[in-house]
Parts: sequence; structure tokens; C-alpha cells
Amino acid sequence: TQLLEQSPQFLSIQEGENLTVYCNSSSVFSSLQWYRQEPGEGPVLLVTVVTGGEVKKLKRLTFQFGDARKDSSLHITAAQPGDTGLYLCAGDWGGGADGLTFGKGTHLIIQP
Amino acid sequence: ETGVTQTPRHLVMGMTNKKSLKCEQHLGHNAMYWYKQSAKKPLELMFVYNFKEQTENNSVPSRFSPECPNSSHLFLHLHTLQPEDSALYLCASSQPTTRTRYGYTFGSGTRLTVV
Repeated sequence: TQLLEQSPQFLSIQEGENLTVYCNSSSVFSSLQWYRQEPGEGPVLLVTVVTGGEVKKLKRLTFQFGDARKDSSLHITAAQPGDTGLYLCAGDWGGGADGLTFGKGTHLIIQP
Repeated sequence: ETGVTQTPRHLVMGMTNKKSLKCEQHLGHNAMYWYKQSAKKPLELMFVYNFKEQTENNSVPSRFSPECPNSSHLFLHLHTLQPEDSALYLCASSQPTTRTRYGYTFGSGTRLTVV
């Protein structure tokens, strides 16, 4: 079974603080995607990382793909209440297999 | 509005009922998916359709029956469900050739409660 482990599962911090969440696997991904899901809605794609060591920035969010393409991190600077949500990582194993494999997600709450 | 529309948004059904979930996309995508999202579990892939052909059935019980009449529409037919089937059912679509780069587009889901 190819698993994606996300940590922490829950995180509650004050507005203005920085945070990092992690996504790890023992297997190599062809690519990895991060999604954010708000209550009552489906996940929305934030970013895709493809190359080992790749860093992508989306405003205050920084995504990094591990050199070995087995892990990824999401760092949020100066978190805001609007960042509250469930952050999901999803691995694409490639090789013709269809369907992404998702982690359980990190529930993030930013308190004003 | 994401471009993938799911109906109904909420559904309560008895264990002996038959109901159907509907998913529609007009993004020009050729792959469509059903996922199940339960509390404390990762999203579980149920079915995959590529160009209207089912390419994956992830050991889903036969009380769930998918149907894909064309590349824009996907259904999930439900019958004799169990209370543990209560969950958020998400539909997604993608373009197989660009999935790696652009990911999936998800609908808002159907919140299903089996009583």
C-alpha cells in the first residue's frame, strides 16, 4: 500500500504566526499536489510540484518538494484567518496508474 | 463554482432506498472520478473513467454502481446502503494529458447520510 503521511493532523495557531506542515512517503512520486478544502466544499488545487528540490511560492505560501521526491512541505508565513481549512497532499505515482493518492490532511485553524 | 457540478448537495436515504448522485463538467476533461471522504480517513478513490471507459474500480462494494454515459456526465447509483456508507462523495475531473500539472477539479460534493 502506498501511503502518504501528513503531519500534524491538527494545528491551531494565532494570526500572524508562521507554520509548516509536512507530507511524507516511503515511495517516490512522479509529482505531488497540494489542495485546500473548506467546510462543505471540495478540495481546490493550490500547487503541483514535479522536480526534486523544487520550491514554489503562492503569496505567503511556500511549497517544497524533497530532493528524492518522497516528501513535501508547506510553509505559511504570517498566517491569516482566511488560511483556515483542511490542507491535503496528493501523490501521483505515474507509471500509467490513474487516480491520485491522498493523505489524511492537516486541519489548520488560524485564530484572530 | 469550480466547473464541476454535483447534485444533490445533501441526501438522506434509508437502507432500502435507491438513489443516484450526479456529476457534470463542461471543462472539456476526459477523465472523471468518484472519491469518498470520511472523517479521519484519506480520500478514497472509488472509480475512474477515462474517455467514458471505466479504468479502475477500487474494490468498491456492488451496492455502489457507477455510470458514465459521456465524458461530461458521471453518475453513482446507490442501493441497499449501510450506515457506514455515510460520507461526503466527491466527483472530480481532469485532462489525462495535463493531470500532473493541473491536477483535479473537484465538485462541492454530496453529503450522504444513510439512516
